[in-house]
Amino acid sequence: GAVVSQHPSRVICKSGTSVKIECRSLDFQATTMFWYRQFPKQSLMLMATSNEGSKATYEQGVEKDKFLINHASLTLSTLTVTSAHPEDSSFYICSARDQARAYQETQYFGPGTRLLVL
Amino acid sequence: AQKITQTQPGMFVQEKEAVTLDCTYDTSDPSYGLFWYKQPSSGEMIFLIYQGSYDQQNATEGRYSLNFQKARKSANLVISASQLGDSAMYFCAMRVTGAQKLVFGQGTRLTINP
Repeated sequence: GAVVSQHPSRVICKSGTSVKIECRSLDFQATTMFWYRQFPKQSLMLMATSNEGSKATYEQGVEKDKFLINHASLTLSTLTVTSAHPEDSSFYICSARDQARAYQETQYFGPGTRLLVL
Repeated sequence: AQKITQTQPGMFVQEKEAVTLDCTYDTSDPSYGLFWYKQPSSGEMIFLIYQGSYDQQNATEGRYSLNFQKARKSANLVISASQLGDSAMYFCAMRVTGAQKLVFGQGTRLTINP
């Protein structure tokens, strides 16, 4: 149980285009999902907390208009990198908390998406 | 502010040996949770083990155990009988009750040698 998927797993795009990444909880409902960014050989950096049916909460220094987050259902959150530039190239990984097991506090992670902007 | 410190950037261990990965944390909140995740080269973050600040016993999950020393603010991960498949990055993380987000350490790269 507690499986999270991400799509796509890998994307290459041209500078100036927008890229959408999907994060789905497959066997549980998640009122809260999280989006992280990870640079090579570094730790995870939280970008934003996504709440179903409401606006995302962004971490300090993360551009809201650059990284659009939508959490339209209890099993799906999307991250759209708008007008992507080479410096946006990174590994993006989402996580979700099981609503039914919220007391356990555990975040379950997706497999990640590698974004390369040319 | 909450902080997680992993002081071992890399560790090399012989197969079948036990290994301890260090993690210290800093928080003034009396209620918190501590987590360990494994990240293989493929990138996914695999949840290993959880310890709550009020748990009386150290958490165990198969070959994984968490050596929780509250007074020292340490939460070391112990892997018994290491296997080649244990080679990966390992991250310690903390969640303070009342906040939803996790704070991660810098990670330790574990390499198991045959």
